[in-house]
Amino acid sequence: AQSVAQPEDQVNVAEGNPLTVKCTYSVSGNPYLFWYVQYPNRGLQFLLKYITGDNLVKGSYGFEAEFNKSQTSFHLKKPSALVSDSALYFCAVRGKLIFGTGTRLQVFP
Amino acid sequence: NAGVTQTPKFQVLKTGQSMTLQCAQDMNHNSMYWYRQDPGMGLRLIYYSASEGTTDKGEVPNGYNVSRLNKREFSLRLESAAPSQTSVYFCASSAVGSSYEQYFGPGTRLTVT
Repeated sequence: AQSVAQPEDQVNVAEGNPLTVKCTYSVSGNPYLFWYVQYPNRGLQFLLKYITGDNLVKGSYGFEAEFNKSQTSFHLKKPSALVSDSALYFCAVRGKLIFGTGTRLQVFP
Repeated sequence: NAGVTQTPKFQVLKTGQSMTLQCAQDMNHNSMYWYRQDPGMGLRLIYYSASEGTTDKGEVPNGYNVSRLNKREFSLRLESAAPSQTSVYFCASSAVGSSYEQYFGPGTRLTVT
């Protein structure tokens, strides 16, 4: 069965510092992995995805994610956090889309 | 280009009442989905429609029915609402295939008293 785990309910980071939001997965076969962001009272927005190829995937708003097959991880990263990055972040895996429980990112000025 | 639209934005129901949540997309996507979002649970798939004319159950289908009215529209019906169905409901659409990302509507916040 497919599953996704986001081990941290909340991540706090100071503006300008690098950020990492963690995700691990369990799938049989090739994983199709996604990151979405949800701002307050809004629907989810697609950030980036890994399908195949380069393990470092670049996405919207300066975010990137690193696919690590041996550690079954797909962590979301950004070199320099902004206050406006504060939101709820979801990792997900396809076939049918299975979402993690979400990580709230809080960036402090 | 509105993307994915949902109506209504908010709804309060009494236990036992029925209602239909509407969803439409203008991106010519074949696949459409209904999710519910509950605190600490992430998003859970209720039903999906891989293409016009087909619907399938997701992870939490009990208490819900769906209709894929045409390529653009996918509705979710609660026949007899229960307090456990208090949630935020999201509709999404995508191209066919597991490698394609989904596009989400703004959500419907439903409270069942």
